[in-house]
Amino acid sequence: NAGVTQTPKFRVLKTGQSMTLLCAQDMNHEYMYWYRQDPGMGLRLIHYSVGEGTTAKGEVPDGYNVSRLKKQNFLLGLESAAPSQTSVYFCASSRFGGGSTDTQYFGPGTRLTVL
Amino acid sequence: EDKVVQSPLSLVVHEGDTVTLNCSYEVTNFRSLLWYKQEKKAPTFLFMLTSSGIEKKSGRLSSILDKKELFSILNITATQTGDSAVYLCASHTNSNSGYALNFGKGTSLLVTP
Repeated sequence: NAGVTQTPKFRVLKTGQSMTLLCAQDMNHEYMYWYRQDPGMGLRLIHYSVGEGTTAKGEVPDGYNVSRLKKQNFLLGLESAAPSQTSVYFCASSRFGGGSTDTQYFGPGTRLTVL
Repeated sequence: EDKVVQSPLSLVVHEGDTVTLNCSYEVTNFRSLLWYKQEKKAPTFLFMLTSSGIEKKSGRLSSILDKKELFSILNITATQTGDSAVYLCASHTNSNSGYALNFGKGTSLLVTP
């Protein structure tokens, strides 16, 4: 049981390049999330998904797209990377949307630098 | 706009000290408040609080929620160097767009030997 895994762990891009971050969970969770974490800003929600085939915007969705084609995977895409997207990206999953016993489990993070 | 504010932003203590971390929130459709510990990688879950006045405890860590005054505290007694981390507080709400988890900026705790 690996929990939540993220690929890759590190990446350096040039401005304008594209890439996809992969998140996978093996806990059969319905909900999945992508956050970014910047110094002094805490964790901010980019997009989330409440089930296979669904996605929704979070607090800072601009410049990102997501897809949830399979229940266990949640992909985050950057079509044209910008230096402002330099950040640490965390994926998380939860069984449901936050009931009284639910919580979010986080992946190890992807450190992305855009030059 | 939903808001979660943590204080202090950073703290340095000596081993053995007791610390109290604060989290205040202003959110609509509040459901629960969560505490996480982050040590240079993924945040790890500590507590989820849904009811006022009921203390949750795990070893030297404890937390309590006050839904009337809209705040929570995280206490760590007899601190150890391994407690050094960023502690994150987050509110869970039901918004019109569904599920949302709002994080504070975190409190960076350094425990010195």
